[in-house]
Amino acid sequence: GEDVEQSLFLSVREGDSSVINCTYTDSSSTYLYWYKQEPGAGLQLLTYIFSNMDMKQDQRLTVLLNKKDKHLSLRIADTQTGDSAIYFCAERSAGNNRKLIWGLGTSLAVNP
Amino acid sequence: DAGVTQSPTHLIKTRGQQVTLRCSPKSGHDTVSWYQQALGQGPQFIFQYYEEEERQRGNFPDRFSGHQFPNYSSELNVNALLLGDSALYLCASSLGQFSYEQYFGPGTRLTVT
Repeated sequence: GEDVEQSLFLSVREGDSSVINCTYTDSSSTYLYWYKQEPGAGLQLLTYIFSNMDMKQDQRLTVLLNKKDKHLSLRIADTQTGDSAIYFCAERSAGNNRKLIWGLGTSLAVNP
Repeated sequence: DAGVTQSPTHLIKTRGQQVTLRCSPKSGHDTVSWYQQALGQGPQFIFQYYEEEERQRGNFPDRFSGHQFPNYSSELNVNALLLGDSALYLCASSLGQFSYEQYFGPGTRLTVT
């Protein structure tokens, strides 16, 4: 079946790097996503990676994909207090599949 | 460039009642997906509308129904509300039914008492 797992909490100091990890079970995943959700807000698409890539960098964000281990990570460089939020990992299967399967989210706390 | 908008922001209903939630997609988008996010959970896919038809459905009962209008906006209807329907309902829009980029609205917080 399809499942996405994430650790629930992460606490870092301002200025440090944050690494949020995610594992998934669907070997036919085509796209893997990172979304950010701030309190009381909707979901903001941060970045995504296609399954034939192993790394994608976008400013302070670096996504690493280990397809063999079905492991995805999001690294945030120079973490700021404004990065405090819940980060969701999601995956989309191959074929005529339109839905995203989501993890429970990792709550990132950035301490000054 | 208008993003995805949803209305209302908050809603309180009583068990057994019916509710209609509304979504306007991002400018230029033609596809709308609906998700339910319970407290402390990730979103769960309800269904997707494209060309005014339901294209895919998640594991939700028939009490959940929807509609898409010619201007691409969409409604989510829930009948016979249960306490367990209390959640944040999120609408996502995209260009094309198989697009890999979905953009979410702020959500409608539904509380069933």
